[in-house]
Amino acid sequence: DAGVIQSPRHEVTEMGQEVTLRCKPISGHNSLFWYRQTMMRGLELLIYFNNNVPIDDSGMPEDRFSAKMPNASFSTLKIQPSEPRDSAVYFCASSYAEKLFFGSGTQLSVL
Amino acid sequence: KQEVTQIPAALSVPEGENLVLNCSFTDSAIYNLQWFRQDPGKGLTSLLLIQSSQREQTSGRLNASLDKSSGRSTLYIAASQPGDSATYLCAVNRETSGSRLTFGEGTQLTVNP
Repeated sequence: DAGVIQSPRHEVTEMGQEVTLRCKPISGHNSLFWYRQTMMRGLELLIYFNNNVPIDDSGMPEDRFSAKMPNASFSTLKIQPSEPRDSAVYFCASSYAEKLFFGSGTQLSVL
Repeated sequence: KQEVTQIPAALSVPEGENLVLNCSFTDSAIYNLQWFRQDPGKGLTSLLLIQSSQREQTSGRLNASLDKSSGRSTLYIAASQPGDSATYLCAVNRETSGSRLTFGEGTQLTVNP
């Protein structure tokens, strides 16, 4: 298996633009997580899905953020409109037997 | 609210040295604890997972211990190598919320040849 696949690897956008991050979890994993990592706040859980259903979205910073998982092999995290303070590395992870497997992340820069 | 602290924040050692990384957590009601490794520009790789009922787990040169009652875990790395250089993070999983992990800030390890 290729592991958790995220795209794009890097995204540079201007304030106010819509940003969509994509994730393909490992096949057979039934939980999917979106994390954000910054120097100031470390790793923060934004939202997680179990069997494609959002279970806990309390980490989503505000209404500008939304996440979907239309099927077991695909998830998106959307930021609309984006702001400079959203600049961070966004990780997707999927889990099996309580172990998390992370993607390589999307480095987002909002100018 | 669960808080996870890792000490030291950074560590530099010569190759071959045995070393210990520390992790402490404020709420002992955990389901499990995981140690991860993160290389620069990469995602996290799970190294060891310890269930709350276990005392330790071993994988190769790595040994992780857990003292749930005192809220502490250690990651022991034997005979360190330059390839071990990375940031090591511990994360605790709360009992009542499935797979919601709380991460520490990490220890940045440098092993010098």
